[in-house]
Amino acid sequence: KAGVTQTPRYLIKTRGQQVTLSCSPISGHRSVSWYQQTPGQGLQFLFEYFSETQRNKGNFPGRFSGRQFSNSRSEMNVSTLELGDSALYLCASSRLAQAESSYNEQFFGPGTRLTVL
Amino acid sequence: GNSVTQMEGPVTLSEEAFLTINCTYTATGYPSLFWYVQYPGEGLQLLLKATKADDKGSNKGFEATYRKETTSFHLEKGSVQVSDSAVYFCALSDRNSGNTPLVFGKGTRLSVIA
Repeated sequence: KAGVTQTPRYLIKTRGQQVTLSCSPISGHRSVSWYQQTPGQGLQFLFEYFSETQRNKGNFPGRFSGRQFSNSRSEMNVSTLELGDSALYLCASSRLAQAESSYNEQFFGPGTRLTVL
Repeated sequence: GNSVTQMEGPVTLSEEAFLTINCTYTATGYPSLFWYVQYPGEGLQLLLKATKADDKGSNKGFEATYRKETTSFHLEKGSVQVSDSAVYFCALSDRNSGNTPLVFGKGTRLSVIA
């Protein structure tokens, strides 16, 4: 069974640009969650999508947005990039929504390393 | 709100040494607790979990016991190997507090030297 895939793996952008990252979940998984990982803040939750609906959102500005398609693939978009957006962006898929089960295992992709210059 | 605190790293050990990584949590409900591991260049993998008090999670020689009285979930391994070098994250999921996402600690980097 194929794991979670994320594209691209590495990305370099300049301040003010926008970027779109893609995540393909494990087949049959309907929940996709996005996290930002930085050395200073650790892993921070961005948002979760389940069956094309945003179920939960972390404490990030509106420049961060996402969507999920009918095949459960998800994209996240960051507009007007800032230097502080440089991070590893991880997505995780699970069969159930996070709110439906507290022991619902999430499977993580390898991440997209975004560097903003 | 819910939070996880784990010991700061990095932790450097010799092969076959005993490992403990401390993790304590704050939760308003009755959370499930997890340890995830991140190897270089990879995403996170679930290492072990415990869903209620006094449960012991174990995998690949690692163990952690859910201690409600001390709100802790310390990770232990009796004899570490070089291949255990990675970043370890403690996390909690608290469905009873409503629609809250998985909450992670800041991670502890472990380096094992031969």
